[in-house]
Parts: sequence; structure tokens; C-alpha cells
Amino acid sequence: DTAVSQTPKYLVTQMGNDKSIKCEQNLGHDTMYWYKQDSKKFLKIMFSYNNKELIINETVPNRFSPKSPDKAHLNLHINSLELGDSAVYFCASRQGQGGDTQYFGPGTRLTVL
Amino acid sequence: LAKTTQPISMDSYEGQEVNITCSHNNIATNDYITWYQQFPSQGPRFIIQGYKTKVTNEVASLFIPADRKSSTLSLPRVSLSDTAVYYCLVGDANSGYSTLTFGKGTMLLVSP
Repeated sequence: DTAVSQTPKYLVTQMGNDKSIKCEQNLGHDTMYWYKQDSKKFLKIMFSYNNKELIINETVPNRFSPKSPDKAHLNLHINSLELGDSAVYFCASRQGQGGDTQYFGPGTRLTVL
Repeated sequence: LAKTTQPISMDSYEGQEVNITCSHNNIATNDYITWYQQFPSQGPRFIIQGYKTKVTNEVASLFIPADRKSSTLSLPRVSLSDTAVYYCLVGDANSGYSTLTFGKGTMLLVSP
């Protein structure tokens, strides 16, 4: 069974559209994250949730809105997509707020045309 | 946040030992050192974590000198499948906030 899963794996859309990426972890972890990896391969944290509560919100446009219906899910909704949003988005989870290791999902490659 | 510096790329051959060094001069007392591996089109995968001296697991060893301003990931007898990007991260393992910041990583290319 996949520990951290994301859907869809690929997402191609037009500028201005609204899209969502879903993430689920079956590890029973308390903390989940969204990362963005751009074309230069920089992996940058965007959001962190602990037990459905936002604990980190890095400097990302407010067009990005994470939603955590329960601690096993952290979805990412993006409004008014722009060309610069094209990247690979990774979801990750970790037990507790610190320590231990982060388990990453397979990534969602978003292409905005 | 402690910044890390590591080589952009390294080349090796199958069967050799590979050592990747990471500099983290501003490491804080509570910071741990963690290494991740990322294959193309996959998410990063945890390799090893340590605080000081030496840590060894079934995949790699991590050497940390007494001043903790650097660390070395050692991969014994690499194979072609070890070709990947390796990230060195420094962060407070007990912090209520994620302080893990990924740098550019080291692209390791293993050739036959």
C-alpha cells in the first residue's frame, strides 16, 4: 500500500483556471506538508498542517489554499493559475511536528499553458 | 535557519565508495542533520539522520565531526541505481515548526 498518495499525477491546464491536488497518507502521521519543486529542482516548503491546523504558511500567493478535512488528508487548491505555477508539487507527512523523517508522495506535475 | 552547501554534482563508478560532504557553518545546538535521496520523477526519500559522531544504517553512513559544521554522507559500493540527487538538510528535530529547508542537492551520477 502506498504510504503517501497524490492525485492526479499529471495536470495540464490553461492559465486562469482553478485546480485542486489531493493528498492522502495512511501512516497515521500528525503533520502534513506541501512542497513545490520548480524547474531548477529547488524544493521549497509551502504549507504545513498539524492535526488539521495550519502551522506553517510560507510566502506563497493567496491563490494557493490548503485544506485539511482530516489529519490523513491535505488538499491543495489553486485559483487563477499562472504560468509560473508550473512545477512539481509534493505532499509529505511526518509523525509529530519535529524529528523523525518526512515521507513524500510521488508528486503532481502541474503544467500551466 | 542553517544554510547548507554541497557540491552540485559528483561522478563515480559502480563498486566505488562515494562521500558527499555538506557544509553547515551556522548549525544550531538543536539542529539535526538529515540526508534525502531523490530519483527523477519521484519524491525525496529519507536516507539517514544524525546529530554528532557517526551513524550507520543499511544504506549509508553519516560522519559528523565534533564541531558539527559539516557532515559527510558515505555510500559504500555504489551501483547504477544510486544515481540520484542527494540533499543535505539541517533543522531542529524537536521544533514545533518544520525548519527543513532543501538546498540544491548533489547530483550523483554512477557509471558502469
